Amino acid sequence: EPEVTQTPSHQVTQMGQEVILRCVPISNHLYFYWYRQILGQKVEFLVSFYNNEISEKSEIFDDQFSVERPDGSNFTLKIRSTKLEDSAMYFCASSSDRAPEAFFGQGTRLTVV
Amino acid sequence: RKEVEQDPGPFNVPEGATVAFNCTYSNSASQSFFWYRQDCRKEPKLLMSVYSSGNEDGRFTAQLNRASQYISLLIRDSKLSDSATYLCVVPYSSASKIIFGSGTRLSIRP
Repeated sequence: EPEVTQTPSHQVTQMGQEVILRCVPISNHLYFYWYRQILGQKVEFLVSFYNNEISEKSEIFDDQFSVERPDGSNFTLKIRSTKLEDSAMYFCASSSDRAPEAFFGQGTRLTVV
Repeated sequence: RKEVEQDPGPFNVPEGATVAFNCTYSNSASQSFFWYRQDCRKEPKLLMSVYSSGNEDGRFTAQLNRASQYISLLIRDSKLSDSATYLCVVPYSSASKIIFGSGTRLSIRP
């Protein structure tokens, strides 16, 4: 069964450093998403990406964040100058253009120290 | 009204009970709706899709009331393995922005 894969599963970084979270969406999917879930809180929409550009972004997705699809398979989230409050689980998801159900990767737990 | 709002729970029910969760949404233009389940520290997993008035899959029934902008999930004959957080999910702006409710936590006791 096709699945979304994310690497790394856990990333520890020092405050102020840049991190890149990586995702390989399901191969025939066209919509890609990043979500964030702070421990004990809700799943929050960050950004969606379609046709090589951002479709929608939330107010959380400020200049600190960027997304990229550097090749035909990877989808990355870059967080610049990380802050303690960026510590969270980051989920990547993808969906096809025929059905909006989104399928999620297992997440990357980011810990900023 | 919030984009997606759910009963916060937690619901604590005995095995075999029937339990129902509610969800309201603000965007009257939304055409499809989803229920996901999320186990502790895991990713959300799709449970059911709702495109018309409702959907049934075994012990699970989802119903949609477009006039009231309300979705429900009914779980019959609950099992210990049903213990999880149930997330109501509504796409906005077509598929560009998929919004999650805050989730309803369900705990099934033996």
